[in-house]
Amino acid sequence: DAGVTQSPTHLIKTRGQQVTLRCSPKSGHDTVSWYQQALGQGPQFIFQYYEEEERQRGNFPDRFSGHQFPNYSSELNVNALLLGDSALYLCASSLYRNNQPQHFGDGTRLSIL
Amino acid sequence: KNEVEQSPQNLTAQEGEFITINCSYSVGISALHWLQQHPGGGIVSLFMLSSGKKKHGRLIATINIQEKHSSLHITASHPRDSAVYICAALYNTDKLIFGTGTRLQVFP
Repeated sequence: DAGVTQSPTHLIKTRGQQVTLRCSPKSGHDTVSWYQQALGQGPQFIFQYYEEEERQRGNFPDRFSGHQFPNYSSELNVNALLLGDSALYLCASSLYRNNQPQHFGDGTRLSIL
Repeated sequence: KNEVEQSPQNLTAQEGEFITINCSYSVGISALHWLQQHPGGGIVSLFMLSSGKKKHGRLIATINIQEKHSSLHITASHPRDSAVYICAALYNTDKLIFGTGTRLQVFP
């Protein structure tokens, strides 16, 4: 039973570029949440997807967008990259509102040069 | 202002010591998570609790709803317990608000 998988594991981009990160949820899960974790900080909630729609959003600009596919996998897109976007991006999956722990992937480490 | 506060930020201990990490949250929540993050970045969920106390091996988590406070205890600490421990408050919309984490190092 595969857990949450994220790709790629590492990524280097330059300012102004665009990036797409991918997440496959744990088998049986239907909800995907994305988090940004800057170095030395706790994760910050970006947004959550359920039934292919964004259900909740944290305090992130519109440069951050996402998508969920019919198979429940998800993408996080970031446009016009800034140096401050350098972080570990974590994906977590769960069953929608069933009050069980979220399962986390190992993250994608994004570095902006 | 972060709605979840953890202390201490850094903690060092000798193998065998009893360890306590504290977490306070500022508004009503539906549950409180304790998570463990290793240097590679992967996060493992240790506990989710909404009342009382839970125990798993050498780990114990408690929560006091009235005082909006939770603690994670590690008994007989071991170097393999070295990691960042994060508490996260779950609100009724499935949104997790994380603390900044406590970096624990246990020396032999």
